[in-house]
Amino acid sequence: EVQLVQSGAEVKKPGESLKISCKVSGYSFTSYWIAWVRQMPGKGLEWMGMFYPGDSESRYSPSFQGQVTISADKSISTAYLHWSSLKASDTAIYYCARPRGNRAEYFQDWGQGTLVTVSS
Amino acid sequence: QSALTQPASVSGSPGQSITISCTGTSSDVGGYNFVSWYQQHPGKAPKLMIYEVSHRPSGVPDRVSGSKSGNTASLTISGLQPEDEADYYCSSYTSSSTRVFGTGTKVTVL
Repeated sequence: EVQLVQSGAEVKKPGESLKISCKVSGYSFTSYWIAWVRQMPGKGLEWMGMFYPGDSESRYSPSFQGQVTISADKSISTAYLHWSSLKASDTAIYYCARPRGNRAEYFQDWGQGTLVTVSS
Repeated sequence: QSALTQPASVSGSPGQSITISCTGTSSDVGGYNFVSWYQQHPGKAPKLMIYEVSHRPSGVPDRVSGSKSGNTASLTISGLQPEDEADYYCSSYTSSSTRVFGTGTKVTVL
């Protein structure tokens, strides 16, 4: 059974750094991209970017390029989403997802989401 | 990359059919058969309902279907049931090798 298990909710202050995680099981971690999706309070889904653990290739939405870093640790089948300096506008639920398809264009499996709250 | 355009809300009575549209451009929806649809209930993670325009994953009922014409994709739910009440999002591959979601549609079962 494929599972993506995300780290727990975080409460941070503006300017602080944060790394949230997504541990996967049930498939070969290095053979599939892993994507991150943002959902701001009461809003829709936004594709942030994705990472290929097999060769460490990454792709970002222009909206998130330079704002976050996606990485992974192959030894523990875990992907990460990292902020070096959080803003209040980063308050959202963040989902990891496993893309499938010839262009990794659809998201078949999802994590349960991590709520990040940034407030002074 | 702008979000794909969906109606904010669609409603129908139990047993009826509804259709949700998803309008993009020739650089995303119109350029590729890589449109997918997701259902999201409140407080839950999204669930894949349709991939590659019209393919259903196992476990999704056949009363859910997808199609595309030009730059607009559509999701149709026939025989509407109370459990279909949720938010629905389309998504597409883009010419920039990114992915983009739609603005989302709230489906209400009257």
